Amino acid sequence: DGGITQSPKYLFRKEGQNVTLSCEQNLNHDAMYWYRQDPGQGLRLIYYSQIVNDFQKGDIAEGYSVSREKKESFPLTVTSAQKNPTAFYLCASSISTSGDYGYTFGSGTRLTVV
Amino acid sequence: AQKITQTQPGMFVQEKEAVTLDCTYDTSDPSYGLFWYKQPSSGEMIFLIYQGSYDQQNATEGRYSLNFQKARKSANLVISASQLGDSAMYFCAMSAGYSTLTFGKGTMLLVSP
Repeated sequence: DGGITQSPKYLFRKEGQNVTLSCEQNLNHDAMYWYRQDPGQGLRLIYYSQIVNDFQKGDIAEGYSVSREKKESFPLTVTSAQKNPTAFYLCASSISTSGDYGYTFGSGTRLTVV
Repeated sequence: AQKITQTQPGMFVQEKEAVTLDCTYDTSDPSYGLFWYKQPSSGEMIFLIYQGSYDQQNATEGRYSLNFQKARKSANLVISASQLGDSAMYFCAMSAGYSTLTFGKGTMLLVSP
């Protein structure tokens, strides 16, 4: 079955360490996205990519980095520069960023800084 | 810029009753799409229903319907005959033109027996 796989489901990080969240899709979608979710805040866009080797900053990109070397993969690195990284992270994909297409989401990664 | 407003942080409904979750939006783009997603406690986001700005009829998907009032810029989700499994967080979202999806802050729905 086609879908999006995020791993790991839970992740613990020590302060000052970088950590990479994995996102893989087999839907043949061109566009991929990373959202951060905090209680009471809804979903906020971190980065998105419309094609391979290209990506754009979202609303809260500071302290994060991404790469898009393959169509299927869009990993997110949470760097030590991110001041408050504890959150739930959701990866999504869509056929394109055109408004007619909704997103398919992964099951999320819950990151906790200890 | 696009904006989605969900004014109900939480809603309660009894099993088998209908419930309406409010959503208002703002955009200057004449072409846009409105979406509703359900997020159970497990965290995944489940697509429920879609309404295009040029669609003449309100969208329906099983027990879900979208009450689209273009002049009022509202896109309320109606769930008929609520079930215990409907207890979850519900998000309204919009995409206009080629912009990314913008989400509201969500409404927590609790269905009681």
